[in-house]
Amino acid sequence: QKEVEQNSGPLSVPEGAIASLNCTYSDRGSQSFFWYRQYSGKSPELIMSIYSNGDKEDGRFTAQLNKASQYVSLLIRDSQPSDSATYLCAVEFYNQGGKLIFGQGTELSVKP
Amino acid sequence: DAGVIQSPRHEVTEMGQEVTLRCKPISGHNSLFWYRQTMMRGLELLIYFNNNVPIDDSGMPEDRFSAKMPNASFSTLKIQPSEPRDSAVYFCASSRLGPDTQYFGPGTRLTVL
Repeated sequence: QKEVEQNSGPLSVPEGAIASLNCTYSDRGSQSFFWYRQYSGKSPELIMSIYSNGDKEDGRFTAQLNKASQYVSLLIRDSQPSDSATYLCAVEFYNQGGKLIFGQGTELSVKP
Repeated sequence: DAGVIQSPRHEVTEMGQEVTLRCKPISGHNSLFWYRQTMMRGLELLIYFNNNVPIDDSGMPEDRFSAKMPNASFSTLKIQPSEPRDSAVYFCASSRLGPDTQYFGPGTRLTVL
């Protein structure tokens, strides 16, 4: 069983729509959660980090965390073609000293 | 500030040859991570160091892979001998200790013929 799972893509949304990316994880003791964006041929770059239950907003991006359900999501409002990339969910499992487990990623395509 | 630096950016080698990948973490970061990314397996953690000490090498595929961190500003990942299935993009990332953002280098694209 995978430890961090993301909804399979590719996900295609029209420009201006809301893109919803989902991630579940297996370790109930996990405390730190990250969303990375990776453009084709580039390295992952951090978009959001979230540590507490609830929502965290940063511009057009909102991360949502529900530890009871072991679920974290990323919403992208007013999606732009430049948001087209692969989005990686990463979880630091309990007492792992900074080690992150990455999901397989969800490819997002925003159509003009 | 300079980000994580990796070299070489591209490496093409023949099966059986030794390959050495290099990484310079961000100054002040105490944790360093080596990842491998392929289409089939995604982003996999190979090994990570805290304060230059290897903490978890359970992701290292086999004895052909080795990693060192002789000081806080330099790490190497060595593959000897290399095989075609080692072809992948290898990323180095660094962070401060504890649950903190990991910053990735540009990666080394390795092709083993």
